[in-house]
Amino acid sequence: EPEVTQTPSHQVTQMGQEVILRCVPISNHLYFYWYRQILGQKVEFLVSFYNNEISEKSEIFDDQFSVERPDGSNFTLKIRSTKLEDSAMYFCATMVHPRSGEQYFGPGTRLTVT
Amino acid sequence: AQSVTQLGSHVSVSEGALVLLRCNYSSSVPPYLFWYVQYPNQGLQLLLKYTTGATLVKGINGFEAEFKKSETSFHLTKPSAHMSDAAEYFCAVSNYGGSQGNLIFGKGTKLSVKP
Repeated sequence: EPEVTQTPSHQVTQMGQEVILRCVPISNHLYFYWYRQILGQKVEFLVSFYNNEISEKSEIFDDQFSVERPDGSNFTLKIRSTKLEDSAMYFCATMVHPRSGEQYFGPGTRLTVT
Repeated sequence: AQSVTQLGSHVSVSEGALVLLRCNYSSSVPPYLFWYVQYPNQGLQLLLKYTTGATLVKGINGFEAEFKKSETSFHLTKPSAHMSDAAEYFCAVSNYGGSQGNLIFGKGTKLSVKP
């Protein structure tokens, strides 16, 4: 069964450093999302991406964050200058079309900022 | 704005007992509703979804949920709990008509199953 993959599974970085989290969507999916889950808290929407541009973003997704799909396969989330509060599990999700309603989630990347 | 409230951050049942996890939503437009399950150190897996049509939806692993518009609820049930059901369960809502389908999650309910 096709699945969403994410790399790395765990990333440790120092405050102020840039990190790039990678996601490989399911091949025929056109809509892409990033969510995050701070330890012990709920899953929060960050950004949605369609047709090579951001469709919607939350208040969390400030200027430190960016997304792109540079090579038509990987979908990346970049955090320019990490803060301690960016420590969380980051999930990528992909969907064929919102009408289907069904997002497929990757296993997540655990980001630890020290 | 949409929101989801899950009553009870932790529910404990005995093996073989009924599982009932509560979810209420707020949405100004007809919602899409979802239940996801998260096992320790894993991602989110879709259990079931309601988009349109029949209000009682069946999902994987014997779970089902009923959309009740008048009560703005989408409670998750399973007649007989199994040890393997121990996990965290998230209710979510999305608004296809007004967005690109991003999900708004509740805070989650951790289900424990006692032997």
